[in-house]
Amino acid sequence: EVELVESGGGLVKPGGSLRLSCVASGFTFSSYSMNWVRQAPGKGLEWVSSISRSSADIYYGDSVKGRFTISRDNAKNSLYLQMNSLRAEDTAMYYCARHFDEKFTFNIWGQGTMVTVSS
Amino acid sequence: EIMLTQSPGTLSLSPGEGATLSCRASQSVSSNYLSWSQQKPGQAPRLLIYGASSRAAGIPDRFSGSGSGTDFTLTISRLEPEDFAVYYCQQYVSSPPAWTFGQGTRVEIK
Repeated sequence: EVELVESGGGLVKPGGSLRLSCVASGFTFSSYSMNWVRQAPGKGLEWVSSISRSSADIYYGDSVKGRFTISRDNAKNSLYLQMNSLRAEDTAMYYCARHFDEKFTFNIWGQGTMVTVSS
Repeated sequence: EIMLTQSPGTLSLSPGEGATLSCRASQSVSSNYLSWSQQKPGQAPRLLIYGASSRAAGIPDRFSGSGSGTDFTLTISRLEPEDFAVYYCQQYVSSPPAWTFGQGTRVEIK
């Protein structure tokens, strides 16, 4: 079964850091670009970051550029999001999502991990 | 930046009725780059339609997508109880690569 499982969320103070992880199973992880998408409580979806299969191409949304770093370890079937200088507005459910190659969208999503930034 | 505006914000309908959801882009979008997803409370989004009109694997044929340029539509021909959810349109822009979502349309039971 194709599956993505996120972890690492929690409560952090403004200005703090957190590292999210996403472990993939049921498919060849190294063959797919991967993404992080977030959703603030009661709000819509916001794309955060994308990383290509070999990590050669990395992109960020404007709201996280310079603060968040996406990475992957294909040997461990894992995707990461290092989040620094966290703000209250970063409070959200963070989803890991697999790219649907050549279709310009995401077709596999994890269940998400919640990040709360509050003092 | 291309903005996506979905309408209506909320659609109140009864099971068995049809639903028409709109997604309007502030600039022309390639049909290849437009998709629709469904999200139920407490769940992750699920891809319904990609390339504006192609159904994803396992999606019932009561869901259909259409449109081009700046106007796209998701149609649910006959609402089943499990279709009451929030629907998002999504677009990809290529330079630099980025994805944006509409604000969502909630389809609720009347």
